[in-house]
Amino acid sequence: SQTIHQWPATLVQPVGSPLSLECTVEGTSNPNLYWYRQAAGRGLQLLFYSVGIGQISSEVPQNLSASRPQDRQFILSSKKLLLSDSGFYLCAWNWGRGVNIQYFGAGTRLSVL
Amino acid sequence: AQTVTQSQPEMSVQEAETVTLSCTYDTSESDYYLFWYKQPPSRQMILVIRQEAYKQQNATENRFSVNFQKAAKSFSLKISDSQLGDAAMYFCAYRSGYWETSGSRLTFGEGTQLTVNP
Repeated sequence: SQTIHQWPATLVQPVGSPLSLECTVEGTSNPNLYWYRQAAGRGLQLLFYSVGIGQISSEVPQNLSASRPQDRQFILSSKKLLLSDSGFYLCAWNWGRGVNIQYFGAGTRLSVL
Repeated sequence: AQTVTQSQPEMSVQEAETVTLSCTYDTSESDYYLFWYKQPPSRQMILVIRQEAYKQQNATENRFSVNFQKAAKSFSLKISDSQLGDAAMYFCAYRSGYWETSGSRLTFGEGTQLTVNP
């Protein structure tokens, strides 16, 4: 069966520090991968998605970047965090082009102080 | 661009009663999918139910069912025999059926916080 791992679960970082959040999927190959951000009490906003290694689509101009160095690995990064980067970050995956459901990781709660 | 609107920020229901959560969406596409996700306090996103736009029959999953009104662009979720474990934030989501322009990304509403009273 497929599983998605996301870490760390919680992160507190000072303004101006770098960021690296990692997401990996097991049990499948060539998944579509997604990074979402959720502000407190709000819906999810898509940040990046990837349909293959090295293929990244950005949805919202921002202080963040994403990379996919391996087939089942998706990394969210920042060189210098802003206060506005605080939030709950969720990684998700699905497969193929049909109705395939997106499955979500457990999320990372990021606090930038 | 597609938008999803959930007009009820909060709802409450008595245990064992029935509650309906509203969702409307705006799209010019004819091929799409609609979903309801549940986010309990753990914040894990869990799929509740899905509906393909080309299907006229409303989807049902145990105590969860939808009322899909394509012409009205409405997609409400009905929870029957509500249980304490149903308490969560519920999100309605839209996905385009046109892979070439939209991939498989989801557009979410702002959510409805459901409280279940014992």
